[in-house]
Amino acid sequence: SQQGEEDPQALSIQEGENATMNCSYKTSINNLQWYRQNSGRGLVHLILIRSNEREKHSGRLRVTLDTSKKSSSLLITASRAADTASYFCATDAWGWGKLQFGAGTQVVVTP
Amino acid sequence: GAGVSQSPSNKVTEKGKDVELRCDPISGHTALYWYRQSLGQGLEFLIYFQGNSAPDKSGLPSDRFSAERTGGSVSTLTIQRTQQEDSAVYLCASSPPTEDEQFFGPGTRLTVL
Repeated sequence: SQQGEEDPQALSIQEGENATMNCSYKTSINNLQWYRQNSGRGLVHLILIRSNEREKHSGRLRVTLDTSKKSSSLLITASRAADTASYFCATDAWGWGKLQFGAGTQVVVTP
Repeated sequence: GAGVSQSPSNKVTEKGKDVELRCDPISGHTALYWYRQSLGQGLEFLIYFQGNSAPDKSGLPSDRFSAERTGGSVSTLTIQRTQQEDSAVYLCASSPPTEDEQFFGPGTRLTVL
């Protein structure tokens, strides 16, 4: 069963705009990770945030975590056509790496 | 350096046949994971190997599924008596000893006719 639910399921924006997607989960976590997937194959790790962190940045990515609400958000600023992909959040309950993934958000960035 | 590799990239088999899927993790990575991605179920954890410890098999959907990891490196996922619902992309990932980030392979697309 899936731990996380992502919102929205799909997002269409123009280049230069910001994209925000949210992830909610059900049980307590050690860390939460965001991954990107192109063309339905391998996933690429984007960013990891631990349960004692509230915000993290990496390049054009900003992730927030609210453990009281059991939710996280991923913001991609100044989006590019190359950001077109599916984005997944994944929770790690114990820090052992056994990830539970959300259903993903499909992002389309048009030039 | 080389990433996680998986073979074959595509596998078509007939219902009832056995299949073996292979994963070569990144050298030096002690943890290895198998996931399955299908339209109906999304991304599901299957099994996890960490060093020489007993694997966590809690995600395997039935006893038709098994996996082994030889010499702490290459892993093989075996599905016996395949069923149509086994059709999915099987993803392997590995991670180094001190990191939680997982590095994924390109996956094996399994189609059971």
